[in-house]
Amino acid sequence: GQQLNQSPQSMFIQEGEDVSMNCTSSSIFNTWLWYKQDPGEGPVLLIALYKAGELTSNGRLTAQFGITRKDSFLNISASIPSDVGIYFCAGLKPAGGTSYGKLTFGQGTILTVHP
Amino acid sequence: EAQVTQNPRYLITVTGKKLTVTCSQNMNHEYMSWYRQDPGLGLRQIYYSMNVEVTDKGDVPEGYKVSRKEKRNFPLILESPSPNQTSLYFCASSFRTTGDSPLHFGNGTRLTVT
Repeated sequence: GQQLNQSPQSMFIQEGEDVSMNCTSSSIFNTWLWYKQDPGEGPVLLIALYKAGELTSNGRLTAQFGITRKDSFLNISASIPSDVGIYFCAGLKPAGGTSYGKLTFGQGTILTVHP
Repeated sequence: EAQVTQNPRYLITVTGKKLTVTCSQNMNHEYMSWYRQDPGLGLRQIYYSMNVEVTDKGDVPEGYKVSRKEKRNFPLILESPSPNQTSLYFCASSFRTTGDSPLHFGNGTRLTVT
């Protein structure tokens, strides 16, 4: 199936540092989503992007929908220990009209924050 | 409380012994989906359902079956489990079948097939 390339695969940072991760694809997507998964739980939606070039913030998180519609970026500023987890990008290419179709996930970025 | 409930949370079984992982949502969601999570591969979609009695294959449907007889339930069936189906499984649901409706995930089922 279609694949999203997410990088980096893992990051080890100090508390207070900024974090950047991205997702790229050879295909165009109409929606980009960013999820976070805490240990032992299911992913939770952080940010949704619906328009090429869109820049959206959620607290210390900022995400952008790439102009080419083939990529997206997530930045976390001033990281704290509770930012630890796995971050997933997901791209949505509707099956037709406005139906949900299939959501494709990236491989995930494992973030570790050292106090 | 609005939630997606999966059972069981942990399951160890042997090759060939049929099993069912249940998924139920109490939010009247139209869309439901099953994913498996494996290290380095992220979340891969197994099956999804746009509505009652409507199911479609995802990216990795081989060895799995699903049914959607009622809106709230979307069980995942492994007729003859094999070791390569050892994985962490997530059920998810969404209110509408449009991209602006966020997916709500269950807490996962860790399956081990020996």
